[in-house]
Amino acid sequence: KQEVTQIPAALSVPEGENLVLNCSFTDSAIYNLQWFRQDPGKGLTSLLLIQSSQREQTSGRLNASLDKSSGRSTLYIAASQPGDSATYLCAVRRSGGGADGLTFGKGTHLIIQP
Amino acid sequence: GAGVSQSPSNKVTEKGKDVELRCDPISGHTALYWYRQRLGQGLEFLIYFQGNSAPDKSGLPSDRFSAERTGESVSTLTIQRTQQEDSAVYLCASSFYGTPRTDTQYFGPGTRLTVL
Repeated sequence: KQEVTQIPAALSVPEGENLVLNCSFTDSAIYNLQWFRQDPGKGLTSLLLIQSSQREQTSGRLNASLDKSSGRSTLYIAASQPGDSATYLCAVRRSGGGADGLTFGKGTHLIIQP
Repeated sequence: GAGVSQSPSNKVTEKGKDVELRCDPISGHTALYWYRQRLGQGLEFLIYFQGNSAPDKSGLPSDRFSAERTGESVSTLTIQRTQQEDSAVYLCASSFYGTPRTDTQYFGPGTRLTVL
């Protein structure tokens, strides 16, 4: 059974810092990996999707990497802003895609101090 | 265009009653998913619909849970004889399932269910 772990569980940093969120998964047979953010009282917003054949994806100040063989992904946030405060979730979909939904980690609760 | 919508946004019910939760996916999305997020827990996959194929019900926690979807449109998640442990936020997502690249799931705002 796939298990996804996110470290740290919580992080508080001053505005402007660069930071890295970590995600690990136990089964490397994945279809893709997705990073989401969740704001209080709201649904999830997709940030980046990395296909199993890719090593990284970038969107603005965000960069996500994937090392499938070691079962790891990182989300790099450059020049953090207070608006980046949210819970960041990592999720994987197993190889074969359509057999089931995403397996999520419990998230990293990020606070950017103004 | 419009995103995924869910109704109601909040539902309070008494133990033992049945509840129905509704999800309207993004138009044209072939895949629809239901997840549950209990307080302090990660998101938990419940059920998946892809086009007109039989749904993957592997994540449903008990036979009190069922879901339907009409074609590639609205889905309803029904919980019969609700229990207090069913209290959670129920999230729906849809995607255009085709390739790994297009598989991004778009989530609705969720329905917060409280069973008294």
